[in-house]
Amino acid sequence: AQSVTQPDIHITVSEGASLELRCNYSYGATPYLFWYVQSPGQGLQLLLKYFSGDTLVQGIKGFEAEFKRSQSSFNLRKPSVHWSDAAEYFCAVAGGFYDGGSQGNLIFGKGTKLSVKP
Amino acid sequence: DGGITQSPKYLFRKEGQNVTLSCEQNLNHDAMYWYRQDPGQGLRLIYYSQIVNDFQKGDIAEGYSVSREKKESFPLTVTSAQKNPTAFYLCASTPLVVEGNYGYTFGSGTRLTVV
Repeated sequence: AQSVTQPDIHITVSEGASLELRCNYSYGATPYLFWYVQSPGQGLQLLLKYFSGDTLVQGIKGFEAEFKRSQSSFNLRKPSVHWSDAAEYFCAVAGGFYDGGSQGNLIFGKGTKLSVKP
Repeated sequence: DGGITQSPKYLFRKEGQNVTLSCEQNLNHDAMYWYRQDPGQGLRLIYYSQIVNDFQKGDIAEGYSVSREKKESFPLTVTSAQKNPTAFYLCASTPLVVEGNYGYTFGSGTRLTVV
């Protein structure tokens, strides 16, 4: 079965520092991968997604993510964090397309909460 | 602009009452989902529907019910059988074909509190 692991529950970085949020997935075939961001009391907003092709994906708000098949990872990065990036970040994989499961359903990690120090 | 609308934003329920959360989308998406979010537990799937008049239980369906009479609408009823309904509820939708716009679009959520 598909699964997503976000090893870090909470990360604190200083404003202007670089950021990397980790995501590991378990899926037998080529995955469709997503990163979402959630501000308190709000819904989730899509940051970026990977379907195929170039393994480095650019998203909104200056975020990027790199798909590494050999490591089953899809880590999210940002070169310089702004105070407004403080939020919770969720990695997700879409499954079911090759294993008879529920096609189209996304499997979410438990999230990483990002705090930004001034 | 297309999107998903959840209403109300805040909802208060008395013990023993059923309440219905609304979710409407104008994105022409096939599939719709309901998630429950509690602090530290991520997103837990309650119900989903990939076609009108059909829906499937998710991981925590007990105490909840849904309907999908129209493609655009997927209301969630929290029944009195749900013992701990206080939570943040999120609705999402997606097309089912993997092309450019595939992936969940979320509503802004409904916070339900039992009083």
